[in-house]
Amino acid sequence: GAGVSQSPRYKVAKRGQDVALRCDPISGHVSLFWYQQALGQGPEFLTYFQNEAQLDKSGLPSDRFFAERPEGSVSTLKIQRTQQEDSAVYLCASSLARGPSSYNEQFFGPGTRLTVL
Amino acid sequence: AQSVTQPDIHITVSEGASLELRCNYSYGATPYLFWYVQSPGQGLQLLLKYFSGDTLVQGIKGFEAEFKRSQSSFNLRKPSVHWSDAAEYFCAALKAAGNKLTFGGGTRVLVKP
Repeated sequence: GAGVSQSPRYKVAKRGQDVALRCDPISGHVSLFWYQQALGQGPEFLTYFQNEAQLDKSGLPSDRFFAERPEGSVSTLKIQRTQQEDSAVYLCASSLARGPSSYNEQFFGPGTRLTVL
Repeated sequence: AQSVTQPDIHITVSEGASLELRCNYSYGATPYLFWYVQSPGQGLQLLLKYFSGDTLVQGIKGFEAEFKRSQSSFNLRKPSVHWSDAAEYFCAALKAAGNKLTFGGGTRVLVKP
């Protein structure tokens, strides 16, 4: 596809359930980012990959959050034992950037809206 | 701590009127600065960016932004808004040689006919 895609677009989970959110970046994009956007707020950084290496996970709010990108393309954000405060839109972005010394535009997907009941 | 502030949560403007959205940043050194637009159900779309040089930058959809170092501001403007400009707008900053964008809280723009 031409852009970043995310699935599912909407996810409803009962408190305590595990969820997995998928991101398909633009083909050839080296860098991949996850952001969390709570209702009425701006997105907040969660984690960053360069190829398959997770170089920064400083934004992950707890050890219930785990992200992976095993083959350097598709990424999955997993949330274990979901809580109501995890309800948010989870945005994925990708860019061509090959390192912190060069900047390339981050292209965002449409997001996955997670609702935890 | 590094932060981006958008003082206006909501702005209502009449179609055809001018629009200005405020953004202030707090960083040790001047960061890269961006404006994004988010329409319902859509991802964030980059309107424009400032890295260095000319302090007035032009973007897509007729938007422009002015960087003012003395005020730590990067305000977004459009001379004449269209109904399709109704959306949420986010200012963001990126530390030079950094990777993670820091976003402001957003400003929701409503356009009256």
